[in-house]
Amino acid sequence: TQLLEQSPQFLSIQEGENLTVYCNSSSVFSSLQWYRQEPGEGPVLLVTVVTGGEVKKLKRLTFQFGDARKDSSLHITAAQPGDTGLYLCAGANSGYALNFGKGTSLLVTP
Amino acid sequence: SQTIHQWPATLVQPVGSPLSLECTVEGTSNPNLYWYRQAAGRGLQLLFYSIGIGQISSEVPQNLSASRPQDRQFILSSKKLLLSDSGFYLCAWSGMGISPLHFGNGTRLTVT
Repeated sequence: TQLLEQSPQFLSIQEGENLTVYCNSSSVFSSLQWYRQEPGEGPVLLVTVVTGGEVKKLKRLTFQFGDARKDSSLHITAAQPGDTGLYLCAGANSGYALNFGKGTSLLVTP
Repeated sequence: SQTIHQWPATLVQPVGSPLSLECTVEGTSNPNLYWYRQAAGRGLQLLFYSIGIGQISSEVPQNLSASRPQDRQFILSSKKLLLSDSGFYLCAWSGMGISPLHFGNGTRLTVT
């Protein structure tokens, strides 16, 4: 099993602040996906990164895949209460199944 | 468009009772199907996945089993539930290759 470590586990910030969450592994992944999950619902895909060093932007969210394809970060600019949720990273390799990290639980208060 | 249905949304079952959770996918053919369990709003643990009818791979030894009687139907079962089986069960499907997972809304199972 290829472990993905996410940090921080919990993050509580005020609306308008910036934040970065991290996803690290000692293993190389062919791609990495980020999901957001709201309470009582299934995770929803935010982005897939495939190429080492790749940067993708989704409105106020910026995702980066490490050069060595072992780590990734998610940066949120000017966080809003609607960004509240559990952020999960998941690494893919040659198999059929994704390996998920334990997630970063984000709370953005008005 | 593709949709995934998972039911029931919540379930309370006594220890030792059987379990059957069902998941169906619409709008796609020959999907890969998955059952995950999530404890206390944290990371997802893969339980089973299937790449075709009757083909089930188990990732974690447990008293649960899975079956895929039809192309777009995936069932999670147990003959006798344990307290430790409580959790949030998520069904998901994906396409071929490096394909994202599309999750259902989950079943909250409480074993009492």
